[in-house]
Amino acid sequence: DAGITQSPRYKITETGRQVTLMCHQTWSHSYMFWYRQDLGHGLRLIYYSAAADITDKGEVPDGYVVSRSKTENFPLTLESATRSQTSVYFCASSESRWETQYFGPGTRLLVL
Amino acid sequence: DAKTTQPPSMDCAEGRAANLPCNHSTISGNEYVYWYRQIHSQGPQYIIHGLKNNETNEMASLIITEDRKSSTLILPHATLRDTAVYYCIVETSGSRLTFGEGTQLTVNP
Repeated sequence: DAGITQSPRYKITETGRQVTLMCHQTWSHSYMFWYRQDLGHGLRLIYYSAAADITDKGEVPDGYVVSRSKTENFPLTLESATRSQTSVYFCASSESRWETQYFGPGTRLLVL
Repeated sequence: DAKTTQPPSMDCAEGRAANLPCNHSTISGNEYVYWYRQIHSQGPQYIIHGLKNNETNEMASLIITEDRKSSTLILPHATLRDTAVYYCIVETSGSRLTFGEGTQLTVNP
């Protein structure tokens, strides 16, 4: 299906484990983004990418790693998960830096 | 400092117009006003954006004051499905969105 998808939709892991959240878009949008949303807070930008092999930090990048080897994929890795990384993670994409963003359905991550 | 100020919550009757205000008194000349909304547990959804002229699309209208220090998002005929958190965002481009707390709009039957 066309659009932006995220997997898994739900994930439970333990402190110290490595976790990778996947994001895939079918529009060939140049820009992709990762946000986290905590209860009672707005979305905060973790990382973004302007094109394949180009990534940059957002507001809260510590503890996260991203890569963008292909335009359509933008995985987010928590190298050693902590309880403070329990959150809902949203991926988004946009055609250019001036265009609107389209968001995925989110991944709900619980770190025990 | 926050770029925008929105009321934390608003109510609206179904079928009536919902007018959501946003103050952005420090907006600069090259900053756009974007509106997104987030229906419970879903990803945010783009609604509309503008620079200085009023804008209208199939979802809503955006009214920006002449001095650009405030704006109003208008949902002309609110339905129950419009119940959501509405975010007003001021940025120079769509790629650097900073989401604040937004306004929780509740449409009542």
